Amino acid sequence: NAGVTQTPKFRVLKTGQSMTLLCAQDMNHEYMYWYRQDPGMGLRLIHYSVGEGTTAKGEVPDGYNVSRLKKQNFLLGLESAAPSQTSVYFCASRLYGTGRSYEQYFGPGTRLTVT
Amino acid sequence: TQLLEQSPQFLSIQEGENLTVYCNSSSVFSSLQWYRQEPGEGPVLLVTVVTGGEVKKLKRLTFQFGDARKDSSLHITAAQPGDTGLYLCAGATSGTYKYIFGTGTRLKVLA
Repeated sequence: NAGVTQTPKFRVLKTGQSMTLLCAQDMNHEYMYWYRQDPGMGLRLIHYSVGEGTTAKGEVPDGYNVSRLKKQNFLLGLESAAPSQTSVYFCASRLYGTGRSYEQYFGPGTRLTVT
Repeated sequence: TQLLEQSPQFLSIQEGENLTVYCNSSSVFSSLQWYRQEPGEGPVLLVTVVTGGEVKKLKRLTFQFGDARKDSSLHITAAQPGDTGLYLCAGATSGTYKYIFGTGTRLKVLA
């Protein structure tokens, strides 16, 4: 099993350009998450999904859109990139349920720079 | 807005020393997780604590959940260079599937 994979690993964008980050998981997990990680700020939740066809906003959703057309994939889109979106983006997935012990499995991250 | 504050932010110690990392909040969490993150990789779960006052041990690492479920600590005994990394706590509120992450503690253990 590959677990959680993310593409691309690195990307440089100019202000105003658009791009899509792809997250794929092969563990049949219901829940998927997109986080961004900035120095000194831990991870902040951008958007999440509790199942195929559903998405919801997290703490910092502005400037991002997401789609979950297939259970195994969760896409994060930037329509018009801004320098403030320079960050490392992590995707995570976990099993269904509100059980308190469920582990999140993280991908290796995508390092995005917006100039 | 729920916040999880971690302290210290940075810690550089010699091999063999002991250390404690703290994770504090004014909010109550139904569970709290600790992750370790290596450079260039995603976080990996170390432990989950779910009961107030709970103590869990993972080899040289001891995790404690506060009685009121608002805070947690991670204690490492006889630190080794392999313990170097970013330690993150993450709290979940009751009935949700979302996590609030702490600000992180970057640990460096010198040989």
